Amino acid sequence: DIQMTQSPSSLSASVGDRVTITCQASHDISGYLNWYQQKPGQAPKLLIYDVSDLVTGVPSRFRGSGSGTAFSITISSLQPEDIATYYCQQYHSLPFTFGPGTKVDIK
Amino acid sequence: QVQLVQSGPEVRKPGASVKVSCKASGYTFSSYGISWVRQAPGQGLEWMGWISDYNRNTNYAQKFQGRVTMTTDTSTSTAYMELRSLRSDDTAIYYCTKEPSGIEASGTFEHWGQGTLVTVSS
Repeated sequence: DIQMTQSPSSLSASVGDRVTITCQASHDISGYLNWYQQKPGQAPKLLIYDVSDLVTGVPSRFRGSGSGTAFSITISSLQPEDIATYYCQQYHSLPFTFGPGTKVDIK
Repeated sequence: QVQLVQSGPEVRKPGASVKVSCKASGYTFSSYGISWVRQAPGQGLEWMGWISDYNRNTNYAQKFQGRVTMTTDTSTSTAYMELRSLRSDDTAIYYCTKEPSGIEASGTFEHWGQGTLVTVSS
């Protein structure tokens, strides 16, 4: 199975800050990488697919990048509604696997 | 709009089975697959497997092989996930998700059900 790791596991930042979360795959997954946002008590929501494509309606302050084994998601200006846990997920190989998540808080 | 509505919370004793349903609407159910993803309390996400109503193919994660059965009912646009021989570490929220393909598991989960909490406790 392909293992996904994320860092940091949690972060606290101020409104307006630029925030970056990294995701590492144990094998080359090319561009088969999605990002999900999960708010407390809610189902996950697909945010970014194919490394960098934003789902319709997702604010442009979110940006995904990377290839191979190293990926990242950046929030250019953190907003209160961005408080959530973010998960990366590979779909290069079965079983599909998720990173452990990064919890984002407002300082 | 796409909606996935899951059945209500369940409580089971260790060794028992549970069957969770996921009723789909807003799209042609038979053209797309359904994946099941679970989340233990305070933990991350774990993909369990996929089923297509289009070709009735399934693909289960090795971890659940032999314990899980996924089925669909085209007449009611409903997917089911049955997990047997339950253990305490099966306590989790179980989500169904719509896949963008009915041919094979593609792994992009754009639409999610609200989740079903399954509690396994003696």
